[in-house]
Amino acid sequence: RKEVEQDPGPFNVPEGATVAFNCTYSNSASQSFFWYRQDCRKEPKLLMSVYSSGNEDGRFTAQLNRASQYISLLIRDSKLSDSATYLCVVNEGTYKYIFGTGTRLKVLA
Amino acid sequence: DVKVTQSSRYLVKRTGEKVFLECVQDMDHENMFWYRQDPGLGLRLIYFSYDVKMKEKGDIPEGYSVSREKKERFSLILESASTNQTSMYLCASSFGTRDREIYEQYFGPGTRLTVT
Repeated sequence: RKEVEQDPGPFNVPEGATVAFNCTYSNSASQSFFWYRQDCRKEPKLLMSVYSSGNEDGRFTAQLNRASQYISLLIRDSKLSDSATYLCVVNEGTYKYIFGTGTRLKVLA
Repeated sequence: DVKVTQSSRYLVKRTGEKVFLECVQDMDHENMFWYRQDPGLGLRLIYFSYDVKMKEKGDIPEGYSVSREKKERFSLILESASTNQTSMYLCASSFGTRDREIYEQYFGPGTRLTVT
């Protein structure tokens, strides 16, 4: 089993739709969790950290479920500019950041 | 804003050449990292450094070395470039662990290296 797993997609959704991605992790001792956005041939950019209580930033909501070992990202009112690959990152302590291979999102006009 | 810069966006080198990739961050971060990203494999850690002159091997250090002589600068060296080192190389930095908190990483724009 991979340490961090994501559905590669692509998720094709119309503008204005709500879309959700999940990411599962295998190490129950994982400490911190992040979502990054990566555009084609560009570097990953931090979208949001994921806190135990869940957190929201505008149209984006992140949740952590430690019991089932997954994190989720919800995007409401999708925009064309949200089209990108979304990377889930799990930290297993100090310097060990484990990256998922990403979920591709295409928002269609 | 955190700024992480890398010396080249695109680089083409021949097999056997020694290659230097440089990364500079301006946020006084303790930690710096070098990753490579390949399709279907995600980001894989080559080396990281948690302080000046300190380095630790990541998951795929073979064929690479690093240097951190100053806090803001972390260099990746390919001792003798090979075609299987053709990849996107990403540098990242973060604050060190304080009070058990893990901090997010910030990435440079990447260097797309082709070895022919």
